[in-house]
Amino acid sequence: NAGVTQTPKFRILKIGQSMTLQCTQDMNHNYMYWYRQDPGMGLKLIYYSVGAGITDKGEVPNGYNVSRSTTEDFPLRLELAAPSQTSVYFCASSWGTGRSYGYTFGSGTRLTVV
Amino acid sequence: QKEVEQDPGPLSVPEGAIVSLNCTYSNSAFQYFMWYRQYSRKGPELLMYTYSSGNKEDGRFTAQVDKSSKYISLFIRDSQPSDSATYLCAMRIQTGANNLFFGTGTRLTVIP
Repeated sequence: NAGVTQTPKFRILKIGQSMTLQCTQDMNHNYMYWYRQDPGMGLKLIYYSVGAGITDKGEVPNGYNVSRSTTEDFPLRLELAAPSQTSVYFCASSWGTGRSYGYTFGSGTRLTVV
Repeated sequence: QKEVEQDPGPLSVPEGAIVSLNCTYSNSAFQYFMWYRQYSRKGPELLMYTYSSGNKEDGRFTAQVDKSSKYISLFIRDSQPSDSATYLCAMRIQTGANNLFFGTGTRLTVIP
């Protein structure tokens, strides 16, 4: 019963490098989300998906891309990494967005861009 | 002005104390209110969910919503060292995947 699994847990990138943050859920949830969490700033939504093949931008999408080819996987791609992308990234999933549907979060990926 | 305001703390209390955590918000259209608990180096986990105004109790935890004051609270009775974590409030207007707003979190330490 893994829930939401994120890899890697930690990563250091150099400015201009690219990487993909992996996210997999085994709960057959339709909705998946990517958030970033910065100190004192709370959780900010980067991208979300309401089902396979459907994605949309959140509050802070610049510098990121996503895809959703399967129900289970929702990778986040960083192109041309910048120091401003240093953050903790959380993937989450839910059945839907009805009032009783909570989000299940992964354990996060700590990314440092130097 | 932020949509959701939350005192970041940190807050330290002795074991057994009653803890009060609070958030204020500016958008009167928020209808669904949640509290998440986040342990260090972990993702947030849903703790309490409340719709509209009123109280909801679950064991040692009570969530309270006062829509007239745009103020929500989480009370923890008989606090335990295992309650040491960051608590985030979250709220949304209606269903929809892109309109859940989080507070910045309050860091709580319960001292044995």
